[in-house]
Amino acid sequence: NAGVTQTPKFQVLKTGQSMTLQCAQDMNHNSMYWYRQDPGMGLRLIYYSASEGTTDKGEVPNGYNVSRLNKREFSLRLESAAPSQTSVYFCASRDTTYEQYFGPGTRLTVT
Amino acid sequence: GENVEQHPSTLSVQEGDSAVIKCTYSDSASNYFPWYKQELGKRPQLIIDIRSNVGEKKDQRIAVTLNKTAKHFSLHITETQPEDSAVYFCAAKGEDSSYKLIFGSGTRLLVRP
Repeated sequence: NAGVTQTPKFQVLKTGQSMTLQCAQDMNHNSMYWYRQDPGMGLRLIYYSASEGTTDKGEVPNGYNVSRLNKREFSLRLESAAPSQTSVYFCASRDTTYEQYFGPGTRLTVT
Repeated sequence: GENVEQHPSTLSVQEGDSAVIKCTYSDSASNYFPWYKQELGKRPQLIIDIRSNVGEKKDQRIAVTLNKTAKHFSLHITETQPEDSAVYFCAAKGEDSSYKLIFGSGTRLLVRP
């Protein structure tokens, strides 16, 4: 039981490049989330998926898109990366008691 | 929408002392309040949570209290140990959404040996 996994662990992009962050969970959870974590600002919700086939915007969705590929996988895409998107990105899934389980994170640097 | 404020941003205590971190929330209908611990370079992990029908919950050295009237909740760590050093986040789930948590900005706790 791997829990929540994310790839890649680290990534460096140039301004304007695109990339997709991958997330998968093997706990059969319905809900999945993408957060970004910046120093002094806690965890801010980018997008979430309440269940397979649905996605909704969180607090900071601009510049991102998501895809809920199936129940296990939820990806985050940056179409044209900007330095302001330099951050640590966490994927999470949620069980029926509301507890969220986080992945190990992706550290993204945009130069 | 829900807004969560967390204080202090940093807290330094002597090993064995108690630590208290406080959060306030804006949505009076919020009904679930978890606390997450994040060690350096690691992922956040749930350490304790409380629901709106309970005023206090304890788990060994940690406890959470909730004051619905004042719309604030607190994390209490007693007999602190160096391994308690981490960043702690509070969060709140609004009544209008079963899916979203709004997180506070975090408290960096340092326990001095």
